[in-house]
Amino acid sequence: KQEVTQIPAALSVPEGENLVLNCSFTDSAIYNLQWFRQDPGKGLTSLLLIQSSQREQTSGRLNASLDKSSGRSTLYIAASQPGDSATYLCAGETSGSRLTFGEGTQLTVNP
Amino acid sequence: GAGVSQSPRYKVAKRGQDVALRCDPISGHVSLFWYQQALGQGPEFLTYFQNEAQLDKSGLPSDRFFAERPEGSVSTLKIQRTQQEDSAVYLCASSFWGHGNEKLFFGSGTQLSVL
Repeated sequence: KQEVTQIPAALSVPEGENLVLNCSFTDSAIYNLQWFRQDPGKGLTSLLLIQSSQREQTSGRLNASLDKSSGRSTLYIAASQPGDSATYLCAGETSGSRLTFGEGTQLTVNP
Repeated sequence: GAGVSQSPRYKVAKRGQDVALRCDPISGHVSLFWYQQALGQGPEFLTYFQNEAQLDKSGLPSDRFFAERPEGSVSTLKIQRTQQEDSAVYLCASSFWGHGNEKLFFGSGTQLSVL
């Protein structure tokens, strides 16, 4: 059974800092690893999807990497802004299109 | 609308009541998923449809939970004889094909509180 763990559970940084969120998974037989953002009272917004054959994906100030052999993914956020404050969730997709989520990292970027 | 729509946004039920939660996926999306998110936790998979076919219901926690998508578009998640442990946010998501390696589009969820 796939298990996904995210570290840290919460993170508070000053505006402008570069930061890294970590995600680890137990089953390397994943189709892809996805990062989502969740704002309070809202649904999830897909940020990046890394297919199992890829090593990383970039979108604007976000960069996500995937290392299947070690069971790890990282989300790098450059030049953080207060608007980046949210909960970030990673999820591994296994057979049947179902996602297994971590518990999330709650990020606060202080002005 | 352009996104996944869920209703009601909030639902308060007395223990033992039946509830029905609705999901309108993005038009043309073949696949539809239901997830349950407890407070402070990540979402957990409940069930998955491809068109009107329910391909995976292994995540439904008990036989009190039932989901349907009779015409391959709108879906309803029904919970019978609600219990306090059913209190959670129920999220619906859709994707165009659902064959994997696709981004999912989530609705804002229905927050269910069972008193």
